Amino acid sequence: KQEVTQIPAALSVPEGENLVLNCSFTDSAIYNLQWFRQDPGKGLTSLLLIQSSQREQTSGRLNASLDKSSGRSTLYIAASQPGDSATYLCAVFTSGTYKYIFGTGTRLKVLA
Amino acid sequence: NAGVMQNPRHLVRRRGQEARLRCSPMKGHSHVYWYRQLPEEGLKFMVYLQKENIIDESGMPKERFSAEFPKEGPSILRIQQVVRGDSAAYFCASSLLDREDTEAFFGQGTRLTVV
Repeated sequence: KQEVTQIPAALSVPEGENLVLNCSFTDSAIYNLQWFRQDPGKGLTSLLLIQSSQREQTSGRLNASLDKSSGRSTLYIAASQPGDSATYLCAVFTSGTYKYIFGTGTRLKVLA
Repeated sequence: NAGVMQNPRHLVRRRGQEARLRCSPMKGHSHVYWYRQLPEEGLKFMVYLQKENIIDESGMPKERFSAEFPKEGPSILRIQQVVRGDSAAYFCASSLLDREDTEAFFGQGTRLTVV
Protein backbone atom coordinates (compact mmCIF):
# COMPACT_ATOMS: atom_id res chain seq x y z
CA LYS A 1 0.00 0.00 0.00
CA GLN A 2 1.43 3.31 -1.09
CA GLU A 3 2.12 5.82 1.67
CA VAL A 4 3.30 9.34 1.04
CA THR A 5 4.92 11.52 3.69
CA GLN A 6 5.99 15.13 3.55
CA ILE A 7 8.56 16.80 5.75
CA PRO A 8 8.46 19.31 7.32
CA ALA A 9 4.79 19.63 8.18
CA ALA A 10 5.17 23.38 8.56
CA LEU A 11 7.85 25.87 7.65
CA SER A 12 8.24 29.57 8.30
CA VAL A 13 11.03 31.47 6.54
CA PRO A 14 11.98 35.09 5.85
CA GLU A 15 11.46 36.44 2.38
CA GLY A 16 14.27 35.75 -0.07
CA GLU A 17 15.36 32.39 1.33
CA ASN A 18 15.81 29.35 -0.84
CA LEU A 19 13.99 26.37 0.59
CA VAL A 20 13.45 22.66 0.08
CA LEU A 21 10.31 20.66 0.67
CA ASN A 22 10.55 16.90 0.92
CA CYS A 23 8.24 14.13 -0.17
CA SER A 24 8.84 10.41 0.35
CA PHE A 25 6.84 7.42 -0.85
CA THR A 26 7.00 3.75 0.00
CA ASP A 27 6.22 2.10 -3.34
CA SER A 28 8.57 3.06 -6.17
CA ALA A 29 6.26 1.65 -8.87
CA ILE A 30 4.85 5.00 -9.88
CA TYR A 31 3.82 6.55 -13.17
CA ASN A 32 4.54 10.08 -12.09
CA LEU A 33 4.63 12.52 -9.21
CA GLN A 34 2.90 15.89 -9.09
CA TRP A 35 3.44 18.85 -6.82
CA PHE A 36 0.43 21.01 -6.01
CA ARG A 37 -0.19 24.23 -4.22
CA GLN A 38 -3.31 24.81 -2.12
CA ASP A 39 -4.29 28.18 -0.72
CA PRO A 40 -6.58 28.25 2.36
CA GLY A 41 -10.13 27.38 1.44
CA LYS A 42 -9.22 26.93 -2.21
CA GLY A 43 -8.64 24.15 -4.68
CA LEU A 44 -5.40 22.63 -5.92
CA THR A 45 -3.12 24.21 -8.45
CA SER A 46 -0.71 21.93 -10.27
CA LEU A 47 2.88 23.20 -10.10
CA LEU A 48 5.02 20.49 -11.65
CA LEU A 49 4.65 16.96 -12.95
CA ILE A 50 7.62 14.60 -13.10
CA GLN A 51 7.27 11.41 -15.08
CA SER A 52 8.82 8.27 -13.65
CA SER A 53 11.50 8.33 -16.34
CA GLN A 54 12.52 11.90 -15.53
CA ARG A 55 14.87 13.22 -12.88
CA GLU A 56 13.66 16.78 -12.55
CA GLN A 57 11.34 19.49 -13.83
CA THR A 58 11.65 23.25 -13.62
CA SER A 59 9.15 26.07 -13.80
CA GLY A 60 10.30 29.57 -12.98
CA ARG A 61 11.58 29.62 -9.40
CA LEU A 62 10.46 26.06 -8.81
CA ASN A 63 12.50 22.93 -9.36
CA ALA A 64 11.31 19.44 -8.52
CA SER A 65 13.50 16.37 -8.50
CA LEU A 66 12.62 12.70 -8.38
CA ASP A 67 14.68 9.76 -7.16
CA LYS A 68 12.36 6.87 -7.76
CA SER A 69 14.68 4.17 -6.42
CA SER A 70 14.92 5.82 -3.01
CA GLY A 71 11.29 6.92 -3.02
CA ARG A 72 11.99 10.63 -2.72
CA SER A 73 11.13 13.90 -4.35
CA THR A 74 12.10 17.43 -3.42
CA LEU A 75 10.56 20.73 -4.36
CA TYR A 76 13.06 23.56 -4.39
CA ILE A 77 11.75 27.13 -4.21
CA ALA A 78 14.26 29.84 -5.01
CA ALA A 79 14.11 33.37 -3.60
CA SER A 80 10.90 32.79 -1.70
CA GLN A 81 8.24 35.51 -1.62
CA PRO A 82 5.26 36.14 0.68
CA GLY A 83 2.99 35.14 -2.20
CA ASP A 84 4.48 31.64 -1.99
CA SER A 85 2.74 31.13 1.35
CA ALA A 86 0.43 28.15 0.94
CA THR A 87 0.24 24.42 1.58
CA TYR A 88 2.31 22.32 -0.80
CA LEU A 89 1.17 18.80 -1.57
CA CYS A 90 2.86 16.03 -3.45
CA ALA A 91 0.89 13.21 -5.03
CA VAL A 92 2.11 9.99 -6.61
CA PHE A 93 0.27 8.25 -9.42
CA THR A 94 0.88 4.62 -8.63
CA SER A 95 1.25 2.01 -11.36
CA GLY A 96 -1.47 -0.59 -11.43
CA THR A 97 -3.79 1.18 -9.02
CA TYR A 98 -4.30 4.23 -11.27
CA LYS A 99 -4.96 6.63 -8.45
CA TYR A 100 -3.19 9.59 -6.93
CA ILE A 101 -2.09 9.22 -3.34
CA PHE A 102 -1.42 12.47 -1.55
CA GLY A 103 1.14 13.37 1.03
CA THR A 104 0.30 15.09 4.26
CA GLY A 105 1.38 18.51 3.00
CA THR A 106 3.85 21.19 4.05
CA ARG A 107 2.35 24.45 5.26
CA LEU A 108 4.70 27.23 4.15
CA LYS A 109 4.71 30.78 5.46
CA VAL A 110 7.07 33.31 3.93
CA LEU A 111 7.49 36.39 6.09
CA ALA A 112 7.87 39.83 4.52
CA ASN B 1 -11.32 24.50 -22.69
CA ALA B 2 -12.73 25.08 -19.24
CA GLY B 3 -11.08 23.33 -16.33
CA VAL B 4 -12.71 20.81 -14.05
CA MET B 5 -15.99 22.30 -12.90
CA GLN B 6 -17.54 21.39 -9.59
CA ASN B 7 -20.86 22.57 -8.27
CA PRO B 8 -22.11 23.72 -6.01
CA ARG B 9 -19.07 25.38 -4.46
CA HIS B 10 -20.73 25.44 -1.06
CA LEU B 11 -23.50 23.17 0.16
CA VAL B 12 -25.28 23.21 3.51
CA ARG B 13 -27.39 20.24 4.51
CA ARG B 14 -29.21 19.29 7.67
CA ARG B 15 -28.47 15.95 9.26
CA GLY B 16 -30.39 13.21 7.49
CA GLN B 17 -30.68 15.01 4.16
CA GLU B 18 -29.04 13.97 0.90
CA ALA B 19 -26.11 15.75 -0.68
CA ARG B 20 -25.37 15.62 -4.42
CA LEU B 21 -22.04 16.89 -5.64
CA ARG B 22 -21.39 17.31 -9.34
CA CYS B 23 -18.19 17.25 -11.30
CA SER B 24 -17.76 18.03 -14.99
CA PRO B 25 -14.32 16.84 -16.14
CA MET B 26 -12.18 18.67 -18.63
CA LYS B 27 -13.28 18.21 -22.22
CA GLY B 28 -12.13 14.88 -23.55
CA HIS B 29 -11.19 13.47 -20.14
CA SER B 30 -12.72 10.10 -19.40
CA HIS B 31 -11.15 9.44 -15.98
CA VAL B 32 -12.60 11.01 -12.84
CA TYR B 33 -11.39 10.83 -9.25
CA TRP B 34 -13.09 11.99 -6.07
CA TYR B 35 -11.19 13.00 -2.94
CA ARG B 36 -12.26 14.16 0.47
CA GLN B 37 -10.37 16.65 2.61
CA LEU B 38 -11.36 16.89 6.24
CA PRO B 39 -10.51 20.12 8.08
CA GLU B 40 -6.77 20.43 8.64
CA GLU B 41 -6.10 17.08 6.95
CA GLY B 42 -4.77 15.85 3.63
CA LEU B 43 -6.70 14.63 0.62
CA LYS B 44 -7.98 11.08 0.90
CA PHE B 45 -8.84 9.04 -2.17
CA MET B 46 -12.46 7.97 -2.39
CA VAL B 47 -13.26 6.60 -5.84
CA TYR B 48 -11.95 6.37 -9.40
CA LEU B 49 -14.39 6.16 -12.29
CA GLN B 50 -14.30 5.90 -16.03
CA LYS B 51 -17.33 6.49 -18.19
CA GLU B 52 -20.13 4.24 -16.89
CA ASN B 53 -17.70 2.21 -14.76
CA ILE B 54 -16.45 2.32 -11.20
CA ILE B 55 -12.82 1.21 -11.35
CA ASP B 56 -11.75 1.59 -7.74
CA GLU B 57 -14.00 2.51 -4.82
CA SER B 58 -11.68 1.34 -2.08
CA GLY B 59 -11.77 4.73 -0.36
CA MET B 60 -15.53 5.07 -0.25
CA PRO B 61 -17.39 4.46 3.00
CA LYS B 62 -19.43 1.30 2.65
CA GLU B 63 -22.72 2.95 3.51
CA ARG B 64 -24.49 6.12 2.40
CA PHE B 65 -21.91 7.07 -0.26
CA SER B 66 -22.19 6.34 -3.96
CA ALA B 67 -20.68 7.68 -7.15
CA GLU B 68 -21.45 7.50 -10.83
CA PHE B 69 -20.06 8.79 -14.10
CA PRO B 70 -22.72 8.32 -16.77
CA LYS B 71 -22.16 8.24 -20.49
CA GLU B 72 -23.63 11.73 -20.72
CA GLY B 73 -23.39 14.39 -18.08
CA PRO B 74 -21.27 15.04 -15.03
CA SER B 75 -19.98 12.66 -12.43
CA ILE B 76 -22.10 12.65 -9.28
CA LEU B 77 -21.02 11.92 -5.73
CA ARG B 78 -24.08 11.21 -3.63
CA ILE B 79 -24.19 11.14 0.15
CA GLN B 80 -27.39 9.92 1.72
CA GLN B 81 -28.53 10.73 5.26
CA VAL B 82 -25.63 13.07 5.90
CA VAL B 83 -24.07 13.32 9.36
CA ARG B 84 -21.87 16.02 10.88
CA GLY B 85 -18.76 13.95 10.18
CA ASP B 86 -19.42 14.27 6.44
CA SER B 87 -18.57 17.97 6.63
CA ALA B 88 -15.51 18.36 4.44
CA ALA B 89 -14.23 19.65 1.13
CA TYR B 90 -14.82 17.23 -1.71
CA PHE B 91 -12.51 17.55 -4.69
CA CYS B 92 -12.87 16.06 -8.12
CA ALA B 93 -10.02 15.51 -10.54
CA SER B 94 -9.96 14.39 -14.14
CA SER B 95 -7.29 13.01 -16.42
CA LEU B 96 -6.98 11.96 -20.01
CA LEU B 97 -5.13 8.67 -19.88
CA ASP B 98 -3.46 6.21 -17.54
CA ARG B 99 0.13 6.72 -18.59
CA GLU B 100 3.24 8.21 -17.08
CA ASP B 101 2.51 11.56 -18.63
CA THR B 102 -0.98 11.61 -17.18
CA GLU B 103 -1.62 14.85 -15.36
CA ALA B 104 -4.47 15.30 -12.93
CA PHE B 105 -6.47 18.50 -13.04
CA PHE B 106 -8.47 19.40 -9.99
CA GLY B 107 -11.65 21.36 -9.52
CA GLN B 108 -12.15 24.05 -6.91
CA GLY B 109 -14.02 21.66 -4.65
CA THR B 110 -17.41 21.55 -2.98
CA ARG B 111 -17.44 22.48 0.67
CA LEU B 112 -20.15 20.53 2.43
CA THR B 113 -21.36 21.69 5.81
CA VAL B 114 -23.77 19.50 7.75
CA VAL B 115 -25.72 21.34 10.43
